Amino acid sequence: AQKVTQAQTEISVVEKEDVTLDCVYETRDTTYYLFWYKQPPSGELVFLIRRNSFDEQNEISGRYSWNFQKSTSSFNFTITASQVVDSAVYFCALSGQGGSEKLVFGKGTKLTVNP
Amino acid sequence: EADIYQTPRYLVIGTGKKITLECSQTMGHDKMYWYQQDPGMELHLIHYSYGVNSTEKGDLSSESTVSRIRTEHFPLTLESARPSHTSQYLCASSEWENEQYFGPGTRLTVT
Repeated sequence: AQKVTQAQTEISVVEKEDVTLDCVYETRDTTYYLFWYKQPPSGELVFLIRRNSFDEQNEISGRYSWNFQKSTSSFNFTITASQVVDSAVYFCALSGQGGSEKLVFGKGTKLTVNP
Repeated sequence: EADIYQTPRYLVIGTGKKITLECSQTMGHDKMYWYQQDPGMELHLIHYSYGVNSTEKGDLSSESTVSRIRTEHFPLTLESARPSHTSQYLCASSEWENEQYFGPGTRLTVT
């Protein structure tokens, strides 16, 4: 069975601090996809990134960066120089191969960035 | 970026009423999904569709039903609402490669 664990339930930082959100996954599929979504207080989910299991290159997009390590089954997300607008719940998700594109979500990490 | 719409955004309704939550997308995506999310909790898949006339139940058992008569439209119906149905319902769609785009959600309260 597939499983995503986000051990950090809530994180609170002060603006301009760097923060890393952890994500650990379990799957028996050899090909799979990992995702991060942001859910601001308004409720919609905003897609941030997708990574397939064969691509272990880290990715940077502005203040966001992602560290994918297959050896530890982790896909961590770092926000550099956090801003108040980054306050949201962040979800890590996993989907597998074989025609199954159903996402399995972690429980989410609520990030609060204080001014 | 996909354009995906959900109506209503908020709904308060009494027990026993029949309700339909609307979801439409304008991107021509074949795949559509309904998720249920309680406040502060993870999302659970309740229904999905891979195309017209295709519907499947998701991982979380739900008393709701769905239909997919047109590619762009994926409504969810509750025949008789109960307080246990109070939740947020999120609709999503995707093309290949699993990238799902979500609508704004419907917050349902059953009194």
